[in-house]
Amino acid sequence: AQRVTQPEKLLSVFKGAPVELKCNYSYSGSPELFWYVQYSRQRLQLLLRHISRESIKGFTADLNKGETSFHLKKPFAQEEDSAMYYCALNLTTLTGNQFYFGTGTSLTVIP
Amino acid sequence: GAVVSQHPSWVICKSGTSVKIECRSLDFQATTMFWYRQFPKQSLMLMATSNEGSKATYEQGVEKDKFLINHASLTLSTLTVTSAHPEDSSFYICSARKGRDTEAFFGQGTRLTVV
Repeated sequence: AQRVTQPEKLLSVFKGAPVELKCNYSYSGSPELFWYVQYSRQRLQLLLRHISRESIKGFTADLNKGETSFHLKKPFAQEEDSAMYYCALNLTTLTGNQFYFGTGTSLTVIP
Repeated sequence: GAVVSQHPSWVICKSGTSVKIECRSLDFQATTMFWYRQFPKQSLMLMATSNEGSKATYEQGVEKDKFLINHASLTLSTLTVTSAHPEDSSFYICSARKGRDTEAFFGQGTRLTVV
């Protein structure tokens, strides 16, 4: 079963417009959630994680346990935000630690 | 910052041969390393989680005998694709976690093409 769902494969917004990348997870315990970003021709890198409750490059994400969501938001999109965004869930089990990724959302910011 | 390096970045091999991919944490000790496979325009699929000094934990559907993972030290994990076939052609990515910190740092990936 897919543990992390990102319903939008592609998302286009105009520069300066708000952007929201959706992420829903499936886990009954206390989740550890992350957003990773992959810019063109670069490796995956951490954007932010829910436990730190920080804003990185203007992005924020709030964990909503009731809706099992961890949507990524930015009030004013910039061209340099164009990238692939992955939502990830980290689970700690008896056998160890596993990261599960969503299918990713490709964000294009139109100038 | 924490750097994870994969080698090689790309490799072409003949069907039936084995290929080894290395994943190294260059400036930190990684107690846990993850191996992923990424098909074109698809997400990362977790293949296995390896903890230093112990056997890897494979995800359901991943053949242990085909994808051999060794995590012999705190800075090195290897993935060996044995008896490779064209359907094994893919992009393989590793990531490493520092100790109890759950952030994962990613390698640049290895493009495997089996001909």
